[in-house]
Amino acid sequence: GDSVTQMEGPVTLSEEAFLTINCTYTATGYPSLFWYVQYPGEGLQLLLKATKADDKGSNKGFEATYRKETTSFHLEKGSVQVSDSAVYFCALRIFSGTYKYIFGTGTRLKVLA
Amino acid sequence: GAVVSQHPSRVICKSGTSVKIECRSLDFQATTMFWYRQFPKQSLMLMATSNEGSKATYEQGVEKDKFLINHASLTLSTLTVTSAHPEDSSFYICSAARRRGGGYEQYFGPGTRLTVT
Repeated sequence: GDSVTQMEGPVTLSEEAFLTINCTYTATGYPSLFWYVQYPGEGLQLLLKATKADDKGSNKGFEATYRKETTSFHLEKGSVQVSDSAVYFCALRIFSGTYKYIFGTGTRLKVLA
Repeated sequence: GAVVSQHPSRVICKSGTSVKIECRSLDFQATTMFWYRQFPKQSLMLMATSNEGSKATYEQGVEKDKFLINHASLTLSTLTVTSAHPEDSSFYICSAARRRGGGYEQYFGPGTRLTVT
């Protein structure tokens, strides 16, 4: 069935370090792909998305490219800040009569000053 | 814009009682509302999908009679946990979706922490 696999965390980085959080998916058809972020004590917020192959989503310095050949949507940021500490969820959206979202397990990022 | 609220944010109830959680889209009409359950250090598990005026579609393994969903209007959906037990303690998150600009967008509520004692 359709699924999303994320790298396990937690990921601990120093400020200004490079971040990569891996995400791969399995889906029939052509899903849209998303990264959501959940800050402590808050709900999920959309970080970025890509709706078709080779699209690059970007927001707040984060980027992810929809790679159909490797079924991946890895999240990257060139220089993380303490304020980026949060849990990041990769998700796909498929349409099967109605839209349905499937989430990965989440990766906790902790950035140290 | 596109704010989704949930009420209450936290609730503690005794085993055997029922609890109702409300999900509202404050400034838009939602085509569909989703209910998720999030376990500690785990992902969101989709429980059900509901469209206004129709019965909710439950995911496999989710008990319809235990988790009652009512989608009374385009801005309100409720989840009632009936005869709650300690194993129902969890973080429940709703989201509201709408079509916008040729696309489809989902907005999440802040979640409700349910503790059953």
